[in-house]
Amino acid sequence: DIVMTQSPDSLAVSLGERATINCKSRQSVLYSYNNKYNLAWYQHKPGQPPKLLIYWASTRESGVPDRFSGSGSGTDFTLTISNVQAEDVAVYYCHQYYARPFTFGPGTKVEIK
Amino acid sequence: EVQLLESGGGFVQPGGSLRLSCAASGFSFSNYAMNWVRQAPGKGLEWVSGISGSAGYTDYVDSVKGRFTVSRDNSKNQLYLQMNSLRAEDTAIYFCAKVRQMATLLAANDFWGQGTQVIVSS
Repeated sequence: DIVMTQSPDSLAVSLGERATINCKSRQSVLYSYNNKYNLAWYQHKPGQPPKLLIYWASTRESGVPDRFSGSGSGTDFTLTISNVQAEDVAVYYCHQYYARPFTFGPGTKVEIK
Repeated sequence: EVQLLESGGGFVQPGGSLRLSCAASGFSFSNYAMNWVRQAPGKGLEWVSGISGSAGYTDYVDSVKGRFTVSRDNSKNQLYLQMNSLRAEDTAIYFCAKVRQMATLLAANDFWGQGTQVIVSS
């Protein structure tokens, strides 16, 4: 199984500041067919279903604010939330869909300082 | 508008069975693989099972293999998860999710249902 780790476990950010969440996969999730990383980021708020933010490591899903961005290569990936807003309070998960069983990181809780 | 609506959750004793359903609308259901993902109380997300659009391919996380069976009825736009020999550790909210690309299981999940609660307890 591809183990996904995330850091930090939680972070508190002031409104308007930047939040950076890191994700590491134990092995490559680079899909040779299209040379893209099968890595996604989701936002999950209590009582709601997860929301897809980023796929292919850096492609923003339609309708997602541009303050959310994804980057990374190899086995290290980052979700950056620029200009954090109150509605960004949530748990964020990275997810590899390269190999079954598909796996998620343990999540990073983002709060407002 | 894509909509996914799960049903069938509930309270069951260890060893019991439940059948979850997911009613899909707003997209060409048979063209997309679907996944079941669960979240146990206080825990993160866990992929449980996936099925191709044609239902020709299915897969499961090891902890449910031999106990859970995923299926779909493309004529009814329905996804199912038959759960047998349930254990306390299967207690979770179960979400159905659509993959964002046609004709592949290797895609992110772009739409999710609201989830259905399964509680396994004596």
